[in-house]
Amino acid sequence: AQKVTQAQTEISVVEKEDVTLDCVYETRDTTYYLFWYKQPPSGELVFLIRRNSFDEQNEISGRYSWNFQKSTSSFNFTITASQVVDSAVYFCALSGGNSGYALNFGKGTSLLVTP
Amino acid sequence: DTAVSQTPKYLVTQMGNDKSIKCEQNLGHDTMYWYKQDSKKFLKIMFSYNNKELIINETVPNRFSPKSPDKAHLNLHINSLELGDSAVYFCASSQDGTGAPRVVFGQGTRLTVV
Repeated sequence: AQKVTQAQTEISVVEKEDVTLDCVYETRDTTYYLFWYKQPPSGELVFLIRRNSFDEQNEISGRYSWNFQKSTSSFNFTITASQVVDSAVYFCALSGGNSGYALNFGKGTSLLVTP
Repeated sequence: DTAVSQTPKYLVTQMGNDKSIKCEQNLGHDTMYWYKQDSKKFLKIMFSYNNKELIINETVPNRFSPKSPDKAHLNLHINSLELGDSAVYFCASSQDGTGAPRVVFGQGTRLTVV
């Protein structure tokens, strides 16, 4: 069975601080997919990134960066120079194998960025 | 153009009633899903349909029944609503193929059972 653990339930930072959201996953599948979604206070789920298990390249998109390490089964997300608008719940998710493309979500990390 | 749209956005109803939530996607995706987000924000897959056929049916009470009239629509019918059904329900869709699929979510339907 697939499992995603986001050990950080809540994080609070001051604007302009860097923050890393941890994601650890478990799967027996050799092919799988990892995702991050953002859920702002307005409630919608905003896609941030997807990565397949064969692509361990790290990615940077503006202030966002992702570190995928198969050796530690982790897919961590870093926000550089955080802003108040980054305040949201962030979900890491896993799919693939017998689950098909259905996402197995972690419990989410609530990030609060204060001015 | 809204990619995945759900109606209604808010639904307040009494226990015992039957209600439906509609979902439509205009992305040409093959697979559609229903997810439930509980009061603790935990998101869990309920159903997955591929080309109108059910491929995942998690442990959901049989009061919940998905119906897919065509590839672009996946509606959720709920019979005999209970207080514990109060949650946000998200519809989503994705396209099969190689590589990591992009799963697109609707805006959610907040169901409150009183």
